[in-house]
Amino acid sequence: NAGVMQNPRHLVRRRGQEARLRCSPMKGHSHVYWYRQLPEEGLKFMVYLQKENIIDESGMPKERFSAEFPKEGPSILRIQQVVRGDSAAYFCASFTGRTGELFFGEGSRLTVL
Amino acid sequence: QQQVKQSPQSLIVQKGGISIINCAYENTAFDYFPWYQQFPGKGPALLIAIRPDVSEKKEGRFTISFNKSAKQFSLHIMDSQPGDSATYFCAASWRTGTASKLTFGTGTRLQVTL
Repeated sequence: NAGVMQNPRHLVRRRGQEARLRCSPMKGHSHVYWYRQLPEEGLKFMVYLQKENIIDESGMPKERFSAEFPKEGPSILRIQQVVRGDSAAYFCASFTGRTGELFFGEGSRLTVL
Repeated sequence: QQQVKQSPQSLIVQKGGISIINCAYENTAFDYFPWYQQFPGKGPALLIAIRPDVSEKKEGRFTISFNKSAKQFSLHIMDSQPGDSATYFCAASWRTGTASKLTFGTGTRLQVTL
């Protein structure tokens, strides 16, 4: 049973470009969280998704950021017109939706030049 | 109300000592309290978890103590080892509608010295 797969693991973008981060949850998991982590800091909640539904996006910046989790395929976190402040590690975590263990991916590390 | 307050921010313990990390919460709707361990460059991984109907849970050298009336829970690492050096996050979960939400503490960086 494969774990949570995130790709790319490392992504370099220039200011103004778009970044797309993908997350394939564990088999049987229909709920996905996205978190952002700056170096030496904690996990900042961004968005909580269920397949085809955004449950909570209160942690997402209002502009340039969007997320989706389609019926088929991975969850996508999209950052348009990236700025240097977007440089961070972005973690995806999946679970069944019932109270229980959240399984994290290894993260995608975005560097904006 | 959905926050979990974690302390200390960083902790240095000698090998063989006891590491203690504390968390406090306000929301009585929380029904699941996990602790996650994160090594540099890796994603967090579940270490141990407890539900509010028990006051203590032990797994090897790791113990969660839970005080429901005080709305506090803590992680104790007995016989701390250099390999335990990592960042530890407490968390709390609650149900809302058909979904289950999770909120994290701010993390504690543990360094175990020789």
